[in-house]
Amino acid sequence: DAKTTQPTSMDCAEGRAANLPCNHSTISGNEYVYWYRQIHSQGPQYIIHGLKNNETNEMASLIITEDRKSSTLILPHATLRDTAVYYCIVRAYNNNDMRFGAGTRLTVKP
Amino acid sequence: DADVTQTPRNRITKTGKRIMLECSQTKGHDRMYWYRQDPGLGLRLIYYSFDVKDINKGEISDGYSVSRQAQAKFSLSLESAIPNQTALYFCATTGNQGAIEQFFGPGTRLTVL
Repeated sequence: DAKTTQPTSMDCAEGRAANLPCNHSTISGNEYVYWYRQIHSQGPQYIIHGLKNNETNEMASLIITEDRKSSTLILPHATLRDTAVYYCIVRAYNNNDMRFGAGTRLTVKP
Repeated sequence: DADVTQTPRNRITKTGKRIMLECSQTKGHDRMYWYRQDPGLGLRLIYYSFDVKDINKGEISDGYSVSRQAQAKFSLSLESAIPNQTALYFCATTGNQGAIEQFFGPGTRLTVL
């Protein structure tokens, strides 16, 4: 699976959009971009995934660049409960080996 | 009730002891996984199983063994625990090949003295 690079930490004001970047310059054509988050020491939680088109669900939006070498997870109106570590993972659709990096620690501040 | 449960939630043991961590899931999934997480790091895959007769090594399997007793149960054993196995352990499950989402248990915090 392709390696990902994420900033170590980010801050965001409550109510504002949180934009979390991820670089995956060696991504292959059959690899998807997945985002998970981990609140405190709980088990990670799936957020969203995409291949090349932008995706949106009730939790977030995922913007993938045209060359697919980077992506951005957007939390449109961050709340204090969104404070967590966010993991960007790239893997092929039929590969169940999820490789978690260190992620980005997002702190939402009042 | 939670879809993926882990027991115990916390455990303190001594070096050299054998310990078993258990995981159960009610989602009816075939695929189950064990991960460990060290402070400040992401999760690393220890073992995974695609069905009752299938066991596969992950990224860091040395010092661990697993047993898939039934579709719903997947146990992780440390045959002779050592201090650097102190970590947070997560069990996860997912559906068939290509499934989108992994569902994680609440974690087991293991301390080896």
